[in-house]
Amino acid sequence: AQTVTQSQPEMSVQEAETVTLSCTYDTSESDYYLFWYKQPPSRQMILVIRQEAYKQQNATENRFSVNFQKAAKSFSLKISDSQLGDAAMYFCASRRTGTASKLTFGTGTRLQVTL
Amino acid sequence: DADVTQTPRNRITKTGKRIMLECSQTKGHDRMYWYRQDPGLGLRLIYYSFDVKDINKGEISDGYSVSRQAQAKFSLSLESAIPNQTALYFCATMEGNTEAFFGQGTRLTVV
Repeated sequence: AQTVTQSQPEMSVQEAETVTLSCTYDTSESDYYLFWYKQPPSRQMILVIRQEAYKQQNATENRFSVNFQKAAKSFSLKISDSQLGDAAMYFCASRRTGTASKLTFGTGTRLQVTL
Repeated sequence: DADVTQTPRNRITKTGKRIMLECSQTKGHDRMYWYRQDPGLGLRLIYYSFDVKDINKGEISDGYSVSRQAQAKFSLSLESAIPNQTALYFCATMEGNTEAFFGQGTRLTVV
């Protein structure tokens, strides 16, 4: 079974600054995927970034990047140049590879962006 | 049109009533999932289905049932709703090694 832990229920960042959201996970699988999802007030679940565990290179999507530490089972999300539209709930999630897999979520981090 | 559609988007129901939440998808994915979101608990898996003939319980299936009527349709039922089933419910689909695709969510309130 996989578990995902987000230890920061709430975070705050000033506009244009950088913030890092933490996530740790536990799995017995050798190959798996990790994800960050954003949930704005509209409640839609939006994929922010994904990381394949077999890739050593950290994934990057524009202002969003991850710090993937496989040995430490850590998967943090860095948001650079924060914008007001980044304010949302952020969920870290994991799944193993293969067809018979499920997505396991952390408890979420609510990000506030202030002027 | 959305790839994954949930109906209704919001629902208020009374304790003891039976209610069905519906999900349909146009992505052609075999795998479908129902999650429940509660504040401070994240999203927890209720039921999932890997194809039309396959139904599996998730971590919190008590009090819920599902029906996979077709590849594109996966319904969640609360046979006798209770107030602690008040939550935000999400349907999702997944295929291969892609990420999950979510519906817009159903806000259910049981009074």
